[in-house]
Amino acid sequence: DTAVSQTPKYLVTQMGNDKSIKCEQNLGHDTMYWYKQDSKKFLKIMFSYNNKELIINETVPNRFSPKSPDKAHLNLHINSLELGDSAVYFCASSLHGASSSYNEQFFGPGTRLTVL
Amino acid sequence: GESVGLHLPTLSVQEGDNSIINCAYSNSASDYFIWYKQESGKGPQFIIDIRSNMDKRQGQRVTVLLNKTVKHLSLQIAATQPGDSAVYFCAESFTGGGNKLTFGTGTQLKVEL
Repeated sequence: DTAVSQTPKYLVTQMGNDKSIKCEQNLGHDTMYWYKQDSKKFLKIMFSYNNKELIINETVPNRFSPKSPDKAHLNLHINSLELGDSAVYFCASSLHGASSSYNEQFFGPGTRLTVL
Repeated sequence: GESVGLHLPTLSVQEGDNSIINCAYSNSASDYFIWYKQESGKGPQFIIDIRSNMDKRQGQRVTVLLNKTVKHLSLQIAATQPGDSAVYFCAESFTGGGNKLTFGTGTQLKVEL
């Protein structure tokens, strides 16, 4: 079974719409993340949640709202989609997120969002 | 601001040769460095990591070298295989940073038969 899963894998939508991407991990990890990968393959963190608590929020427009119903899920809701939101969005998880040393992050397969 | 990596270059190697992928970082506070492999259509996959108190670490067919003096990181892949074709990213993290990863821009490795 996939450790970190995302749905949908592809999402094509019109400008101005609201959409959600779901992420689930079955690793028993405490911390989950959302990353955005642009057309030049640059990966940048957007958010992280530790046990349902927001830890990292990296200068992301407030049209993006992460929601963590429990520590195994971190969904990403995007309001009023813009052309520049087109990218691949990756969810990741790690055992811990705020400990004294780095914890390996496991990535999902990605969701390719295309805004027309 | 902080930055890691170079512009996205492409490295072409013959099957069986050794590959060396380089990365520069600028945050002196970073104490953990990781290499990820991303195959087409997939998420990044952990390869190997190294802490700042080390200058070399070896895994299976891979070696990571860290030169803190010049803030340089490299990934060496021995006997490169077609399955190694992917984009490789270096990333950095620092203690107290909430496990945040800052990625470089990646290197496309192409293995020629």
